[in-house]
Amino acid sequence: AQSVTQLDSHVSVSEGTPVLLRCNYSSSYSPSLFWYVQHPNKGLQLLLKYTSAATLVKGINGFEAEFKKSETSFHLTKPSAHMSDAAEYFCVVSENYGQNFVFGPGTRLSVLP
Amino acid sequence: ETGVTQTPRHLVMGMTNKKSLKCEQHLGHNAMYWYKQSAKKPLELMFVYSLEERVENNSVPSRFSPECPNSSHLFLHLHTLQPEDSALYLCASSQDPVSGNSYNEQFFGPGTRLTVL
Repeated sequence: AQSVTQLDSHVSVSEGTPVLLRCNYSSSYSPSLFWYVQHPNKGLQLLLKYTSAATLVKGINGFEAEFKKSETSFHLTKPSAHMSDAAEYFCVVSENYGQNFVFGPGTRLSVLP
Repeated sequence: ETGVTQTPRHLVMGMTNKKSLKCEQHLGHNAMYWYKQSAKKPLELMFVYSLEERVENNSVPSRFSPECPNSSHLFLHLHTLQPEDSALYLCASSQDPVSGNSYNEQFFGPGTRLTVL
């Protein structure tokens, strides 16, 4: 069975500084991996996905993530944080063609002026 | 309307009421999902419908009853709920890759904030 660990429940950065949100997964098969973002009182929006193509995945709003099989990691990064990036971020692993999504507990990102 | 819509956005109900949550997707997908999002807990998958048939039911209490009349609509019927059922209920849809595509990310609606008194 697959599982997801998000190592930080809360990350705080200053505007203009880099963002790193960590995700480690466990999967018996070659997984698909996703990052979603949730702004307050909103649904989840897909940031990016990895589905066994390029290991460095670029997403929306300047975010990217690198799949590292040896480390079972899929960390999310952004070179320069913006105030509008403040939100909850979820790492997701899927084994069964996307129907069996397993969500991590989420990381709340705060961006300080 | 585009994407995935949910109505109502907010719902307050007593424990003896019966209400329904509605979800509609305008993406041409053939799989739909209900999730429960409670404070301090990971998202919990409740139900999965693929090609209008229920394919997963993750030990959800019978006071929650899903209905999928067609590939675009999904309902969650609620009756005799408990205060601990208060949560954000999210609907999602995706394209079932059994049909040939590998386009498997899920698209989410904005959710219904449910409060049970």
